[in-house]
Amino acid sequence: GQQLNQSPQSMFIQEGEDVSMNCTSSSIFNTWLWYKQDPGEGPVLLIALYKAGELTSNGRLTAQFGITRKDSFLNISASIPSDVGIYFCAGQNTDKLIFGTGTRLQVFP
Amino acid sequence: GAGVSQSPRYKVTKRGQDVALRCDPISGHVSLYWYRQALGQGPEFLTYFNYEAQQDKSGLPNDRFSAERPEGSISTLTIQRTEQRDSAMYRCASSSTVTSYEQYFGPGTRLTVT
Repeated sequence: GQQLNQSPQSMFIQEGEDVSMNCTSSSIFNTWLWYKQDPGEGPVLLIALYKAGELTSNGRLTAQFGITRKDSFLNISASIPSDVGIYFCAGQNTDKLIFGTGTRLQVFP
Repeated sequence: GAGVSQSPRYKVTKRGQDVALRCDPISGHVSLYWYRQALGQGPEFLTYFNYEAQQDKSGLPNDRFSAERPEGSISTLTIQRTEQRDSAMYRCASSSTVTSYEQYFGPGTRLTVT
């Protein structure tokens, strides 16, 4: 099935560093969402974006709905060990979500 | 309950057997979604319901897969005559309204077909 392209595929960073990841699509989406998945758990919703150009924050997380409606970005500031996990974007244009391929984040102390 | 629950959490079955996976959405959530997730990949849509009505089943791989939500709450995903390629994590998610795409996921059922 269709999956959105996320980059980078994986990241290895030091605690305290900022992180940026993005998600791109060939299709236009009306809604973008970002999820985090810990090992053995289901994805947990972090941020939802509803309007092109929108910038939304949730604590140390900031996400943007790209102006073309074909991409979205997630930034994590001052990373901490519990930020470790897989981050998935998801886009909606009809009645369902299409998920990205995921960005695996590792944080070293 | 507070979140989406799924049962069983793990299911091992022999090829050819039928399996039924259950999802109990967040109380009051009207929309319920089924996904399949391969290791290291994002969830892949299977089907979804608004209340008891199945709205879209375009993601079901073939006619061995079916789902129901007869009373608009608990849902069952049934796989008949299981095959080894059906082995995967099956996830359920719910959202509060038909127009909300903020979906909340359950812990999943890990299905292994031997």
